[in-house]
Amino acid sequence: QSALTQEASVSGTVGQKVTLSCTGNSNNIGSYAVGWYQQISHGAPKTVMFGNSLPSGIPDRFSGSKSGTTASLTISGLQPEDEADYYCSTWDYSLSAWVFGGGTKLTVL
Amino acid sequence: QVQLQESGPGLVKPSQTLSLTCTVSGGSISSGSYYWSWIRQPAGKGLEWIGRIYTSGSTNYNPSLKSRVTISVDTSKNQFSLKLSSVTAADTAVYYCAREDYDYVWGSYRWNYWGQGTLVTVSS
Repeated sequence: QSALTQEASVSGTVGQKVTLSCTGNSNNIGSYAVGWYQQISHGAPKTVMFGNSLPSGIPDRFSGSKSGTTASLTISGLQPEDEADYYCSTWDYSLSAWVFGGGTKLTVL
Repeated sequence: QVQLQESGPGLVKPSQTLSLTCTVSGGSISSGSYYWSWIRQPAGKGLEWIGRIYTSGSTNYNPSLKSRVTISVDTSKNQFSLKLSSVTAADTAVYYCAREDYDYVWGSYRWNYWGQGTLVTVSS
């Protein structure tokens, strides 16, 4: 069982806006920025968002936010190449460890 | 551009020790304020953080694996390593190494660079 909770699957059509969520507690999401990692076809993860900062090379249709102990990744104008597994992660100070969500499979219809 | 590459045996027998190395290129492993992490992913499952080592040598480990994990750094070879003892089939996974950089905007570390991953199978 993962420390952070994500939807198992989310789907959307090309051009649609979708939001993925990640829920934790005050020891992790409530205290630290959340990273979002895209994994396409079980390849190496790629950072697509940290807090609400967009890494270099990531399209600006990706955005991040947080409210209390829930973080969100929004993709505005969904593209076929966005189909992937998305994982959220942050530090947990009570565990002194990085924790992950179970991952969300995003399908572009 | 920083690159990380995992290497090591692809097959380990049960009860033995899994040993992997991550070679860093494009930058010195001993310079800067970085953490060097190991993460794994069993087939069809999610990511699991194993542990990390700071440039100074201090470590943090996943509490669920702590008793079996050792992470070390070899600055002369620009490498850091993972040892996982007493392995079972449950340790079969793709193992990734990654670099954590400090994010001054958010006041915390973040993963910036990942290796491509290496599959380790535990089987007799």
